Amino acid sequence: DSGVTQTPKHLITATGQRVTLRCSPRSGDLSVYWYQQSLDQGLQFLIQYYNGEERAKGNILERFSAQQFPDLHSELNLSSLELGDSALYFCASSVESFGADSPLHFGNGTRLTVT
Amino acid sequence: AQTVTQSQPEMSVQEAETVTLSCTYDTSESDYYLFWYKQPPSRQMILVIRQEAYKQQNATENRFSVNFQKAAKSFSLKISDSQLGDAAMYFCAYRTPYNNNDMRFGAGTRLTVKP
Repeated sequence: DSGVTQTPKHLITATGQRVTLRCSPRSGDLSVYWYQQSLDQGLQFLIQYYNGEERAKGNILERFSAQQFPDLHSELNLSSLELGDSALYFCASSVESFGADSPLHFGNGTRLTVT
Repeated sequence: AQTVTQSQPEMSVQEAETVTLSCTYDTSESDYYLFWYKQPPSRQMILVIRQEAYKQQNATENRFSVNFQKAAKSFSLKISDSQLGDAAMYFCAYRTPYNNNDMRFGAGTRLTVKP
């Protein structure tokens, strides 16, 4: 168990809809990362938050947004959903250090299916 | 921009034999960290091993070891005495404090273990 909790595990919705994915990081971790993994693909970095502030953006669509709350949990909002948004969405957390030596600890992912 | 390349989409190994998975990366930074993650059919992301760029000694974790060639920007994973449970997707990843510590992944190598 990585200590990172993602809910829900599965989500099925229709095109055009909006969903919210939730992530609780490991106790003590200040950074939260979101990744998208399409079928049999690698992980694409979406966005990173550190202690409530956005720190870095990757290949995140304008239809997607995220935030990190004061209790450090994070939510990823996906709107105007398209079939191509179907994927496994991972949240990961990390203890931050300048040396970047700590690994990311991943949740079990949320599988989103857009029909 | 930092990129991570895994040139072997698929590999197979006989049970109890040794297999090496390749990874190369491109960076201009001097301070960075490299990781191998395993993703079994459950889709969970599991840390296998990590290597600090400033360390010349190759990291080892039980049956897993790396061959880190800094000048060649190569970071291969060797799995000894392969077991059926080693069958999974393996992702090479790179992380540096000079890019907000976000982690970049290769496309992955699917490892099959034959009994």
